[in-house]
Amino acid sequence: NAGVTQTPKFRVLKTGQSMTLLCAQDMNHEYMYWYRQDPGMGLRLIHYSVGEGTTAKGEVPDGYNVSRLKKQNFLLGLESAAPSQTSVYFCASNPNRGVPVSGNTIYFGEGSWLTVV
Amino acid sequence: SQQGEEDPQALSIQEGENATMNCSYKTSINNLQWYRQNSGRGLVHLILIRSNEREKHSGRLRVTLDTSKKSSSLLITASRAADTASYFCATDASGAQKLVFGQGTRLTINP
Repeated sequence: NAGVTQTPKFRVLKTGQSMTLLCAQDMNHEYMYWYRQDPGMGLRLIHYSVGEGTTAKGEVPDGYNVSRLKKQNFLLGLESAAPSQTSVYFCASNPNRGVPVSGNTIYFGEGSWLTVV
Repeated sequence: SQQGEEDPQALSIQEGENATMNCSYKTSINNLQWYRQNSGRGLVHLILIRSNEREKHSGRLRVTLDTSKKSSSLLITASRAADTASYFCATDASGAQKLVFGQGTRLTINP
């Protein structure tokens, strides 16, 4: 049981390049999330998914796209990277036992460090 | 805007002392959670307190919740060097399907 796994862990992109961050969880969780964390700030929600085939926008969705084709995977895409997207990205999942989120804790991956130059 | 805000932003104390961090939020919540993040790592869940609870304990952790003031506090007693980390509160706003995190308190325990 690996929990939540993110790949890659580190990446340097040039402005305008595209890339995809992969998040995989082996806990059969319903909900999955992508957050970004910037220095001195908390985590800001980019996009999230409440089940296979569904996605929704979070607090800062612009410049990102996501897909949840399989329950265990949640992909975060940057179509045209910008320096403002330099950040640490965290994926997380939530079992959603019954009432959405209430009483459920979130399990985080170890983070993906992305630098856009 | 973010739902939760922690205070202070940074706290430095001596090993053995107690550390108190505060979190304020803006809207009604179902529950409030505290997470810990070691440098360069993901967040780890510490404790959850529901909106109808006022105090909760887990080991050296004590969490209080005052829904009338929309605030919570996390107390770490008898601090250890290994407690050095950033601590975040997260709220599950009523009706929402996601947690919203505060900016965090960076705690340093000096040996």
